[in-house]
Amino acid sequence: EVKLVESGGGLIQPGGSLRLSCAVSGFTVSNNYMNWVRQAPGKGLEWVSVIYSGGNTFYADSVKGRFTISRDNSKNTVSLQLNSLRAEDTAVYYCARENIYSSGWTHFDYWGQGTLVIVSS
Amino acid sequence: DVQMTQSPSSLSASVGDTVTITCRASQSISSYLNWYQQKPGIAPKLLIYAASTLQSGVPSRFSGSGSGTDFTLTISSLQPEDCATYYCQQSYSTPQYTFGQGTKLEIK
Repeated sequence: EVKLVESGGGLIQPGGSLRLSCAVSGFTVSNNYMNWVRQAPGKGLEWVSVIYSGGNTFYADSVKGRFTISRDNSKNTVSLQLNSLRAEDTAVYYCARENIYSSGWTHFDYWGQGTLVIVSS
Repeated sequence: DVQMTQSPSSLSASVGDTVTITCRASQSISSYLNWYQQKPGIAPKLLIYAASTLQSGVPSRFSGSGSGTDFTLTISSLQPEDCATYYCQQSYSTPQYTFGQGTKLEIK
């Protein structure tokens, strides 16, 4: 059974840092593209970051230079380091696996339950 | 970035009805379009990928169509459990994926 479990969310002051983790079971993180997607309260979905199986990383412009995605192959986890947090970073953060077809089609097929980050003084 | 615009933002329908949600891309994205369903407090669930391919386990009353810039999600024979918010997502401009703003479906 595939399972993704996020942790690490919480209340943090503006300018602070937080590290989110996503523990995966049922597939190997290092063989997959792993993403973070966030959702501000009452708002829509926003893609945040991805780490490719080859190790390349990419970020949304809104978080570039502040967030860092990484993985721990020994623990089969993906992490997102959040620095210089702003009020607008308040959201539920989901990790999601990106399923990729040889045709180039991709989609997010497995999601975690999400972890809530609140940036407030 | 590819902008995705959904309409309507919300709609209300009765059990047994057929509803259609549209999604328009700011540029051609071929058929690189996915649809997700999200219920309150729960992660999104993939319904349809590649514009019209039903994800395994998803009821056949869900269907998708379109290519280029205009896409539709159709739910036929609406059921109470279809009450949710629906999002389209383009996977053409990798990895800068973008979602539509969502369509909230209410069951009367």
